[in-house]
Amino acid sequence: AQKVTQAQTEISVVEKEDVTLDCVYETRDTTYYLFWYKQPPSGELVFLIRRNSFDEQNEISGRYSWNFQKSTSSFNFTITASQVVDSAVYFCALSERGWTSYDKVIFGPGTSLSVIP
Amino acid sequence: DGGITQSPKYLFRKEGQNVTLSCEQNLNHDAMYWYRQDPGQGLRLIYYSQIVNDFQKGDIAEGYSVSREKKESFPLTVTSAQKNPTAFYLCASSWLNTEAFFGQGTRLTVV
Repeated sequence: AQKVTQAQTEISVVEKEDVTLDCVYETRDTTYYLFWYKQPPSGELVFLIRRNSFDEQNEISGRYSWNFQKSTSSFNFTITASQVVDSAVYFCALSERGWTSYDKVIFGPGTSLSVIP
Repeated sequence: DGGITQSPKYLFRKEGQNVTLSCEQNLNHDAMYWYRQDPGQGLRLIYYSQIVNDFQKGDIAEGYSVSREKKESFPLTVTSAQKNPTAFYLCASSWLNTEAFFGQGTRLTVV
């Protein structure tokens, strides 16, 4: 069975601190995709990244970075020098059996991040 | 502007009433989806549609119904059979095998 665990329910940091959001997944598939989404207070989910199971290179995009480790089934997300605008709920997600439509995407429970000025 | 529009933003339902949530997209996407979000839980798929006049049940379809008569529109009806409808509902759309775009959601409350 597939599963996505985000053990941190809520995190609070002071502005300019670095913060890492954890994501651990379970799947029997050898081909799968992992995602991160941001849900600001306005409600819509904003796509941040998609990573396939064959690409274990870490990725950096501005203040955001992602650490994919197949050995520990983790896909952690780090925000460097956090800002108030980073306050949101962040979802990690997993798609089974390779890249397919969103009916196959499993979302984690989300981590609520509050950045305090 | 291209995007997904959900309406209304807030909706109140009386016990035993059916209500319909609207979702419209002008992105020319083939696939559309409805998710339910409850506090502390991830998104759960209610229904999805990959082409016009066709739709499939997701993980929690009981008490819900949908239609897909036009490519742009995928309304969700929450029926009186849904025993616990209070939640945040998100609509999304995508081309097949691409990232989904999400609407801003409808918060439904039973009064």
